Amino acid sequence: KAGVTQTPRYLIKTRGQQVTLSCSPISGHRSVSWYQQTPGQGLQFLFEYFSETQRNKGNFPGRFSGRQFSNSRSEMNVSTLELGDSALYLCASSLASSNTEAFFGQGTRLTVV
Amino acid sequence: KQEVTQIPAALSVPEGENLVLNCSFTDSAIYNLQWFRQDPGKGLTSLLLIQSSQREQTSGRLNASLDKSSGRSTLYIAASQPGDSATYLCAVNRDDKIIFGKGTRLHILP
Repeated sequence: KAGVTQTPRYLIKTRGQQVTLSCSPISGHRSVSWYQQTPGQGLQFLFEYFSETQRNKGNFPGRFSGRQFSNSRSEMNVSTLELGDSALYLCASSLASSNTEAFFGQGTRLTVV
Repeated sequence: KQEVTQIPAALSVPEGENLVLNCSFTDSAIYNLQWFRQDPGKGLTSLLLIQSSQREQTSGRLNASLDKSSGRSTLYIAASQPGDSATYLCAVNRDDKIIFGKGTRLHILP
């Protein structure tokens, strides 16, 4: 059974550009959530999707957005990149919702120069 | 606002010792608590999940306990090995949002 797959693994972008990250959840999982990990702030929740609907959102600016497709795959978009957006972005999938175990992908390392 | 704290931030112990990692959270209204392991530059590996109605979970040399009323959880690692060296993260889940602690960096000395 394949795990959570995130692409690409590494990305270098220039300030002001935009970027799209992809996450394919474990087969059968319908909930996908996104997290940003930085050395200073640790892991912070971005947003969570279930059946193509955003159910919860963290405290990030509107430059951070996401969506989920009918096959549960999810994308995260960051527009007008800033140096401070450099981080490891992690995606997690779970079967349904809060009572179920979350499984994480290997992450996408984004570097903004 | 839920806050998760992990103490200590870093820990070095000789191989073979048993050890305990601590996690505390401020809001006891959680659905579950999960312990993860993270190796440098990698994603998170789920170790143990404890539902809010449970007191503990065991997997191999790992045992996690949960005291929801006091807002505490511990991860016990028996007979530590160099391969256990990693960062261990505690996370609480409520309303489809996971709140993480900053982690404990564990180094097992050969």
